[in-house]
Amino acid sequence: DAKTTQPTSMDCAEGRAANLPCNHSTISGNEYVYWYRQIHSQGPQYIIHGLKNNETNEMASLIITEDRKSSTLILPHATLRDTAVYYCIVRKRDTGNQFYFGTGTSLTVIP
Amino acid sequence: SQTIHQWPATLVQPVGSPLSLECTVEGTSNPNLYWYRQAAGRGLQLLFYSVGIGQISSEVPQNLSASRPQDRQFILSSKKLLLSDSGFYLCAWSVGIGNTIYFGEGSWLTVV
Repeated sequence: DAKTTQPTSMDCAEGRAANLPCNHSTISGNEYVYWYRQIHSQGPQYIIHGLKNNETNEMASLIITEDRKSSTLILPHATLRDTAVYYCIVRKRDTGNQFYFGTGTSLTVIP
Repeated sequence: SQTIHQWPATLVQPVGSPLSLECTVEGTSNPNLYWYRQAAGRGLQLLFYSVGIGQISSEVPQNLSASRPQDRQFILSSKKLLLSDSGFYLCAWSVGIGNTIYFGEGSWLTVV
């Protein structure tokens, strides 16, 4: 699976959009981009995933660049409860079952 | 709907003592099951995964072992704990090949 690079930490003002970037320049054509988040002392929570089209659900939006070498997770109106570590993962869906997590981005939403 | 439970939620064990963490999944059949560990301030490390009863794949050599005695039951064990085994242990599940993975609540282990 392709490696991902994320900033170590970010701050966001409450009520503003939080834009979390992820670089995956070695991504291959059959690899999906997944996002999870982990609130302190809890198990990671699935947020969203996509292949090449932008995706939106009740939690967030995922914007994938046309060359698929990077993506951005957008939390449209960040709340204090969105403070967490956000993981970007790239993996194949047609072979294997393992998910490998990096160190993620620690997002702090500031009142 | 599917649910995953693991226990105990927290435990403090002396060095050299045995360990048993248990995880069960409800509401699905033949899930893929996983054990992850997260040391303090670190990322998640995949320890074991299983695609069926009795089928265990180990990702990292260590003094831990995993077993899957039933379809929806996954157990993490150690015969003798080390201080370095302290951490947050997470069980997870998925269905099919390459699908989304879902995590349990986690178990905090402190080895003293």
